[in-house]
Amino acid sequence: GDSVTQMEGPVTLSEEAFLTINCTYTATGYPSLFWYVQYPGEGLQLLLKATKADDKGSNKGFEATYRKETTSFHLEKGSVQVSDSAVYFCALTQAGTALIFGKGTTLSVSS
Amino acid sequence: SAVISQKPSRDICQRGTSLTIQCQVDSQVTMMFWYRQQPGQSLTLIATANQGSEATYESGFVIDKFPISRPNLTFSTLTVSNMSPEDSSIYLCSVVRDSGGQTQYFGPGTRLLVL
Repeated sequence: GDSVTQMEGPVTLSEEAFLTINCTYTATGYPSLFWYVQYPGEGLQLLLKATKADDKGSNKGFEATYRKETTSFHLEKGSVQVSDSAVYFCALTQAGTALIFGKGTTLSVSS
Repeated sequence: SAVISQKPSRDICQRGTSLTIQCQVDSQVTMMFWYRQQPGQSLTLIATANQGSEATYESGFVIDKFPISRPNLTFSTLTVSNMSPEDSSIYLCSVVRDSGGQTQYFGPGTRLLVL
């Protein structure tokens, strides 16, 4: 079945450092890909998405590019802030079915 | 996006009791889902809430334990029945707004602790 694999956390960075969180997927067909973020004590917020190969999703300085050839959707940000500290989930869906999530990566940014 | 609210936001319950969680959306949506997030874990789909018919449950989840209702296109409930400490989790509803759409928006979650 379809699956999502994220890099293990936690990821600990200093403010203004460059962030990469790796995400790869296994899927039949052509899934849509998402990054969600969960701040402490809150629900999930959609961060960005991409629906087809080579699409780049972006929001709040975060970016991810849908790479079909490497089945990847890595999340990047050029300069992280303390307020970016959260748990990040990579996920996929096919044809409006339920989301399949990765295990989540905890990001901790210190000043 | 959609404005999604859940009630209650958190609760502490005794084992053997049941809790009903409500999910309300500010506009009609095509699909509604219920997920569980156990402590420190990722999200697992419990079921798809179908409007006017029985929910579709994922493997490992049954209607007797997690009865779901969806009487209209803006509202759904999830009941956690005969609770045990293992049911302590965050329960989240999500919605897809448009037919053919694939983006899911999540409610704020209900944090449940069973003693």
